[in-house]
Amino acid sequence: DGGITQSPKYLFRKEGQNVTLSCEQNLNHDAMYWYRQDPGQGLRLIYYSQIVNDFQKGDIAEGYSVSREKKESFPLTVTSAQKNPTAFYLCASNTGGLGQPQHFGDGTRLSIL
Amino acid sequence: AQSVTQPDIHITVSEGASLELRCNYSYGATPYLFWYVQSPGQGLQLLLKYFSGDTLVQGIKGFEAEIKRSQSSFNLRKPSVHWSDAAEYFCAVGALNSGYSTLTFGKGTMLLVSP
Repeated sequence: DGGITQSPKYLFRKEGQNVTLSCEQNLNHDAMYWYRQDPGQGLRLIYYSQIVNDFQKGDIAEGYSVSREKKESFPLTVTSAQKNPTAFYLCASNTGGLGQPQHFGDGTRLSIL
Repeated sequence: AQSVTQPDIHITVSEGASLELRCNYSYGATPYLFWYVQSPGQGLQLLLKYFSGDTLVQGIKGFEAEIKRSQSSFNLRKPSVHWSDAAEYFCAVGALNSGYSTLTFGKGTMLLVSP
């Protein structure tokens, strides 16, 4: 079955450490997205990508970086510059057209040790 | 810029009672509107979407939503709530940002179902 796979489900980071969250999709979607979810805050867009080797900053990109070397993969790195990284991170994808619904992975919960 | 407001943070409904979750949107052009549901620790699942045409749209799990342009609202309804409907619900509006398609989400409404 086609879908979006996020790994790991739980991740712990030490102070000053970079960590990378994986997102893979086999839906043949062109566009991929990363969101951060905090209680009571809804989903906030971190980065998005419409095609390989191209990505755009969302509303809260500071302290995060991404790459899009393959259509299927859109990893997110939470850098040490992100001072409050504890959150639930969701990856999504769609065909990229206006109004197309996004399909979501099951998320990664990141915590600070 | 587009925005979505979900006025109710929590709603409690008795099992078998009807449900209406409120959503107000702001967007300068024809809105593309969505409702998603999220169970704890899970991703979001699409319930329904509105692009154009009929103001009442049907979704999965017995949900429906009606767009009222005069009120900029897109409320989600269900005639009879089941205990398994307890979850968080998000309304979203689709828009173009610098030529890229994105979604803007509301902050969500947590639905609690009492026996």
